[in-house]
Amino acid sequence: QITLKESGPTLVKPTQTLTLTCTLSGFSRSTSTVGVGWIRQPPGKALEWLALLYWTGDERYSPSLNSRLTITRDTSKNQVVLTMTNVDPVDTATYYCAHTTGGRFFDFWGQGTLVTVSS
Amino acid sequence: DIQMTQSPSSLSASVGDRVTITCRASQSISSYLNWYQQKPGKAPKLLIYGASSLQSGVPSRFSGSGSGTDFTLTISSLQPEDFATYYCQQSYNTLPYTFGQGTKLEI
Repeated sequence: QITLKESGPTLVKPTQTLTLTCTLSGFSRSTSTVGVGWIRQPPGKALEWLALLYWTGDERYSPSLNSRLTITRDTSKNQVVLTMTNVDPVDTATYYCAHTTGGRFFDFWGQGTLVTVSS
Repeated sequence: DIQMTQSPSSLSASVGDRVTITCRASQSISSYLNWYQQKPGKAPKLLIYGASSLQSGVPSRFSGSGSGTDFTLTISSLQPEDFATYYCQQSYNTLPYTFGQGTKLEI
C-alpha cells in the first residue's frame, strides 16, 4: 500500500520561503516512471497542479510558478521536498503531495497540509 | 495553459439518480483526461484516468467517456457516499496539467 504524508509549517510570513516535505512508503523505486507531484487548493477553490518529480530526478514545473518552485528528493529517506520562495497571502492553501506512475494522473494522495501566509 | 470548464458547477440529485458531469477542454487533449472525487476535508481520489479507464477499487457505477475536447463522467445510480465535489484534470503534453473548477454534487 502506497502512503504519503506532507509536513511543514502551518504559518509563513509574506516574502519568506516555504519548505514542504512529502514522505512516501510502499512505492516501487525500480519503476522509472514513478514520481511525486505537488498540488495545492486554496480554501474553497479548485485544485492547482504545481510540480512533479520523477524518481529518476527529472523535474517538471508549472510555468507560471517555475521561478519560485524547486522540487528535490532524498532517496535515502523516501522524501520529496517542495520549496516555494517569496510567498504571498495568495499562496495560502492546502498543499497535497501525490504519487504518480507515468506522470499523467495521481493515484495516491497525502492527507494535505494547510499553509497560511500571513504577517 | 489549457483551460478546463466543467458543467454544471453544482448539481442537486437524489439517491438512485443517473448523473452526468461534463468537462470541456480549451483545445484537443486526445484522451488525456482524468476524474477525481473529493469529499470535504479530504484529499482527492482518482476515479477515472485516460478518459474511460476505471481506477482499481472504484465502483463500476462510475464511468467516463469522450475524447478531443468534450468529456463526461457518469454515475449510473447515485449512492449516499457519492455526494462530493468532482474535478476533471487534463494531462496532455502541455504543462501544467490543469484541473477544472469542480462540480459539487448535492442532495
